[in-house]
Amino acid sequence: SQTIHQWPATLVQPVGSPLSLECTVEGTSNPNLYWYRQAAGRGLQLLFYSVGIGQISSEVPQNLSASRPQDRQFILSSKKLLLSDSGFYLCAWTPLRGRVTEAFFGQGTRLTVV
Amino acid sequence: GQQVMQIPQYQHVQEGEDFTTYCNSSTTLSNIQWYKQRPGGHPVFLIQLVKSGEVKKQKRLTFQFGEAKKNSSLHITATQTTDVGTYFCAAYGGSQGNLIFGKGTKLSVKP
Repeated sequence: SQTIHQWPATLVQPVGSPLSLECTVEGTSNPNLYWYRQAAGRGLQLLFYSVGIGQISSEVPQNLSASRPQDRQFILSSKKLLLSDSGFYLCAWTPLRGRVTEAFFGQGTRLTVV
Repeated sequence: GQQVMQIPQYQHVQEGEDFTTYCNSSTTLSNIQWYKQRPGGHPVFLIQLVKSGEVKKQKRLTFQFGEAKKNSSLHITATQTTDVGTYFCAAYGGSQGNLIFGKGTKLSVKP
């Protein structure tokens, strides 16, 4: 069965420090991968979307970047965190094709920038 | 790009009352999905609707897809405290054909 791993679960980082969040998917090939951010009590903001290795689409220009070095690995990074980067970060994957192409989410990383 | 608009943003109900959230798009959707996110958790898939006018039920939850495939609704009958959370609709159609989520409806249930 397919699983998605996202870590860490919580993170407290000082302003100006770097960030690296990792997401890996198991049990499937060629997934579409997503990074979302959710501010407290708010909706899901799509940050990055990837259809394949090295293929990244950025939906919102910001202080973050994403990379997909392997088929089932998606990394969210920042060189210098801002206070406004605080939030709940969710990785998700969807099948490349299929009758029901639901999104499967990781457990999320709650990032607090102090 | 395509957007899915979801209303209301918040809904507070007394336990036992009904609840409905609506999702609208300016363009025809190939399908629509619904997710539930419990407080502190991650969104979990509930259902996918594909056909025009489709109605699906999951216990007290009723999902509808409009005849024109531009709108959808989720109705909960006789809410319970376990229904608390944020309900999202989602559809494919972003600039890269990616999954787009509505802003969600946050449901709180007073016992």
